[in-house]
Amino acid sequence: ETGVTQTPRHLVMGMTNKKSLKCEQHLGHNAMYWYKQSAKKPLELMFVYSLEERVENNSVPSRFSPECPNSSHLFLHLHTLQPEDSALYLCASSQGQGRNYGYTFGSGTRLTVV
Amino acid sequence: GEDVEQSLFLSVREGDSSVINCTYTDSSSTYLYWYKQEPGAGLQLLTYIFSNMDMKQDQRLTVLLNKKDKHLSLRIADTQTGDSAIYFCAESPMDTGRRALTFGSGTRLQVQP
Repeated sequence: ETGVTQTPRHLVMGMTNKKSLKCEQHLGHNAMYWYKQSAKKPLELMFVYSLEERVENNSVPSRFSPECPNSSHLFLHLHTLQPEDSALYLCASSQGQGRNYGYTFGSGTRLTVV
Repeated sequence: GEDVEQSLFLSVREGDSSVINCTYTDSSSTYLYWYKQEPGAGLQLLTYIFSNMDMKQDQRLTVLLNKKDKHLSLRIADTQTGDSAIYFCAESPMDTGRRALTFGSGTRLQVQP
């Protein structure tokens, strides 16, 4: 399988639940990203991992916890979320900073917090 | 801080040209991108332009860059119904310590038959 794969595609969770989003890339890229996409708002960068090291954390609440066990996998662990966290969560990867070829995005996980 | 702005909506008739505009604030931007997002999908890179270029053409797509005004546009010639999607402008930072692209809010293009 090629490209960036995100699972699950849809997730409904209560505010007291704990769940994890998974992202997997088979492109040999060495950087991975989590973005949050809410309606009518710019894509919000959440986390950046380069060579499995977190290099950017954009003031994301601690109820979101990323994990990058290797260069092919990225997780977003969720706990005690709020309804305003409902959004499409997009994972992306790139080689280096992705300047020449941009990022490759997954299809996203549509998260609904009830 | 860095900011990328786009209008939210554009409607055109099939066969017409579409022009989607974007403004950005970071004068050190090196690469500027256009991404397309179809329903239920992630973002797909359409094209990009390096900041020392004024124009780039790729089949039906033409990108124009006015670096002085920090204005980027995407022109789609002979727009088809399959072009209906959300189009995102993004910019890449120079060595400012930022490691990731900054995206606009996206412009929803609706193509009417």
